[in-house]
Amino acid sequence: DAGVTQSPTHLIKTRGQQVTLRCSPKSGHDTVSWYQQALGQGPQFIFQYYEEEERQRGNFPDRFSGHQFPNYSSELNVNALLLGDSALYLCASSGVTYEQYFGPGTRLTVT
Amino acid sequence: LAKTTQPISMDSYEGQEVNITCSHNNIATNDYITWYQQFPSQGPRFIIQGYKTKVTNEVASLFIPADRKSSTLSLPRVSLSDTAVYYCLVGDRGAGSYQLTFGKGTKLSVIP
Repeated sequence: DAGVTQSPTHLIKTRGQQVTLRCSPKSGHDTVSWYQQALGQGPQFIFQYYEEEERQRGNFPDRFSGHQFPNYSSELNVNALLLGDSALYLCASSGVTYEQYFGPGTRLTVT
Repeated sequence: LAKTTQPISMDSYEGQEVNITCSHNNIATNDYITWYQQFPSQGPRFIIQGYKTKVTNEVASLFIPADRKSSTLSLPRVSLSDTAVYYCLVGDRGAGSYQLTFGKGTKLSVIP
């Protein structure tokens, strides 16, 4: 049983560009959350998707948007990239239990 | 959301028991205490969760006093592979539905 998978592993973008990150949840999970982790900091909650709707949102600007598909996979989109968006982006999935399972993350570098 | 306070870093020798204490003075009645472990460039991994008294699983124990204003994660006989950042989180348990609020965590270094 595959756990949470994310793609791509690494990504380099230029300021002002747009990026899309992808996440496939663990089998049997229907909820996907996205987190941003800057170097040396703990992960910060971006938003959560359930039943293809955004259910909760953290303190992130509208440049950050997402989507959940009928198969529960999810995308994170970031527009007008800033240097400060450079971080490890983590996807976590959960189901009927309380535990959130994290993927390995996508390392985004904005130059 | 309840704020947590934990030591920035800790060192321990291999084979010793490590106790990491987390303070959460404003914990709410419905809140659970959860600990995650994170290795560099990997996603956090769930270790243990509890509400009160003591919880034990195959990797750790969690001690929670009656007032629930603090908790202690206990790692028995640590090895070099336990070197990681450990996060204490407090939140409503709710079927995976709550957002996880991470602090800076405790960086544990295990020394040979």
